[in-house]
Amino acid sequence: GAVVSQHPSRVICKSGTSVKIECRSLDFQATTMFWYRQFPKQSLMLMATSNEGSKATYEQGVEKDKFLINHASLTLSTLTVTSAHPEDSSFYICSARPSGRGTEAFFGQGTRLTVV
Amino acid sequence: QKEVEQDPGPLSVPEGAIVSLNCTYSNSAFQYFMWYRQYSRKGPELLMYTYSSGNKEDGRFTAQVDKSSKYISLFIRDSQPSDSATYLCAMSALIRGSTLGRLYFGRGTQLTVWP
Repeated sequence: GAVVSQHPSRVICKSGTSVKIECRSLDFQATTMFWYRQFPKQSLMLMATSNEGSKATYEQGVEKDKFLINHASLTLSTLTVTSAHPEDSSFYICSARPSGRGTEAFFGQGTRLTVV
Repeated sequence: QKEVEQDPGPLSVPEGAIVSLNCTYSNSAFQYFMWYRQYSRKGPELLMYTYSSGNKEDGRFTAQVDKSSKYISLFIRDSQPSDSATYLCAMSALIRGSTLGRLYFGRGTQLTVWP
């Protein structure tokens, strides 16, 4: 149990285009989902916390208009990188916290975004 | 001072060795402690989850939490080459009384177990 599916696993896009990344909890409901960014050999940097049915809470320094988060259901959250630039190239990871099960969080497989 | 400190390593040990991984933290409100394993270019996988102080054992893995020292450890017995990965500690606290807060991660320790 506790499987989180993230799609796509890898994407290459042109500068100026937008990319959508999906995060699904397959066998549990998740009131809260988290989006992280990870640079090589670095830890996870929390970008935003999304709660189902409400606006996401963004960490300081993260542009909410650039990284659009939608958490429309208890099993799906999406991150859209708008007007992508090469500096947005990174590894993006989502995690989901099962509703009512404590503070454990389960992670997706990650998405490697390359902007050319 | 960072919320969570973790030596990034790298740590290299022979197969069969006992591995000790550690994190220290500064926020005394942390009550929930986790260890994640992350293989290269993959998402982190939850290994151990502990609430408050004490020990927890699961197979070859033992997690220890010492809240008085603000120090947590993960021990791996009989280490295997397949254990080669980055190990991240993470912790969290209740906020506003009963709401679960975000996770705070260490930098991760890169472990290599050689045959």
